[in-house]
Amino acid sequence: DVKVTQSSRYLVKRTGEKVFLECVQDMDHENMFWYRQDPGLGLRLIYFSYDVKMKEKGDIPEGYSVSREKKERFSLILESASTNQTSMYLCASQGRRYNEQFFGPGTRLTVL
Amino acid sequence: QKEVEQDPGPLSVPEGAIVSLNCTYSNSAFQYFMWYRQYSRKGPELLMYTYSSGNKEDGRFTAQVDKSSKYISLFIRDSQPSDSATYLCAMTPPRGAQKLVFGQGTRLTINP
Repeated sequence: DVKVTQSSRYLVKRTGEKVFLECVQDMDHENMFWYRQDPGLGLRLIYFSYDVKMKEKGDIPEGYSVSREKKERFSLILESASTNQTSMYLCASQGRRYNEQFFGPGTRLTVL
Repeated sequence: QKEVEQDPGPLSVPEGAIVSLNCTYSNSAFQYFMWYRQYSRKGPELLMYTYSSGNKEDGRFTAQVDKSSKYISLFIRDSQPSDSATYLCAMTPPRGAQKLVFGQGTRLTINP
């Protein structure tokens, strides 16, 4: 079974702090994704990566950056957290057969 | 107009009922179709995936794709309280690494 893990389940940060969210997958997948999920807005793609050191903007990249130094690890960075970044953050790793994505358990981030 | 439309519900049915969840889409290039189940405060888990038109059955779940109508469905037979969750449809064109396009999700409650 594919396993995708995220560094924290719950996180509370203050406005202006730098926040790191980490995601690790164990299936040697090339493609990894970061989403945020908000009530009424569904899943929105922030950034994705097709390979080590490769990254592409998703639909809502503003206020975020990413890092992919190793194939199994994809990090999401909030350079200066703001209250409107309070959300559920989900990482996913993509399989090769049907482009299916496997999600981590999510990190619920609260910015005060 | 969104590429994928899904009624967010909520949908509430009695235990044992047959549940029908649906999505419509506008992009005729979509070939792979997926259904995810997401329990409260958890990440989405892949429930079923299908390729092109037709039906696919897995236990109490049946996924149906009608490409001519651009319409996909998930049927749940003999519904159980443990089926209470949000169900998201997702789809993608077949070639190469592709982003998934998600529906907003339908919140389903099965009442004992």
